[in-house]
Amino acid sequence: DSGVTQTPKHLITATGQRVTLRCSPRSGDLSVYWYQQSLDQGLQFLIQYYNGEERAKGNILERFSAQQFPDLHSELNLSSLELGDSALYFCASSASIRGGEETQYFGPGTRLLVL
Amino acid sequence: GDSVTQMEGPVTLSEEAFLTINCTYTATGYPSLFWYVQYPGEGLQLLLKATKADDKGSNKGFEATYRKETTSFHLEKGSVQVSDSAVYFCALYGGSQGNLIFGKGTKLSVKP
Repeated sequence: DSGVTQTPKHLITATGQRVTLRCSPRSGDLSVYWYQQSLDQGLQFLIQYYNGEERAKGNILERFSAQQFPDLHSELNLSSLELGDSALYFCASSASIRGGEETQYFGPGTRLLVL
Repeated sequence: GDSVTQMEGPVTLSEEAFLTINCTYTATGYPSLFWYVQYPGEGLQLLLKATKADDKGSNKGFEATYRKETTSFHLEKGSVQVSDSAVYFCALYGGSQGNLIFGKGTKLSVKP
C-alpha cells in the first residue's frame, strides 16, 4: 500500500460527459502528479501540483483540468469526453517539488471507460 | 525531446532463469534513471534508481547500471521467480523536461 488513495476505482460514462477523479496523497507529501496510461500512448505525465500551485504541465488536453486543494487532495476534471479518453489514470505524490529526483508513490489508479 | 526506449514484450521465462530487460535513453544533460514495476491491478512502485554515471541501483535481486557511454540502464536479475511477473517501466528525469519520462513498459511472465 503506497498511502496514495484514488476514487473511484472504476468509472463508466458516455461520450460528451464530464467526470472528476479524486486523489489523496501520502501524508506529508506536497506534490501531486497525474498520469494517463493507455495501450497506444503508454504512460504519460499530465500535470503536477505542488502545495496548491500548478508546477509542471505535460501532455494534458485543454478539455482536462486539475486542481489541488488546501488539504492537498487533488482532482482531475475530464470534460467533453471522447472514446479515446478511455484509460487508466494514476495519481502519484512525493514529498517535495522535485519529484523526479525523489520517489513518486503511485495510487492504484482509476479506470475510465467512455462508451 | 527526451525519450526512453525499452525492449518490447512480452517476455516469458521459466522460474530461476536469468532476466535482462534492455533500456536506452535520449536526454540532454545528466538525467536520473529509474525502474518502476507494476504488479497486476496495482499502481507503479519504484524498484531501483541511479542518479549518476556508473551508479548501480539494486533492490530485491534486481540490478541496473547507469551507462553514460551507451546511454543505457538495462535491468537484470539472476534468478526470476513467479512473483516477479509484472510490467517493468524504465524512466528518466532531469533532461529538458521537468517530469518523469517513461518507456512503454515490458511485460514479464514467469512460469513455474
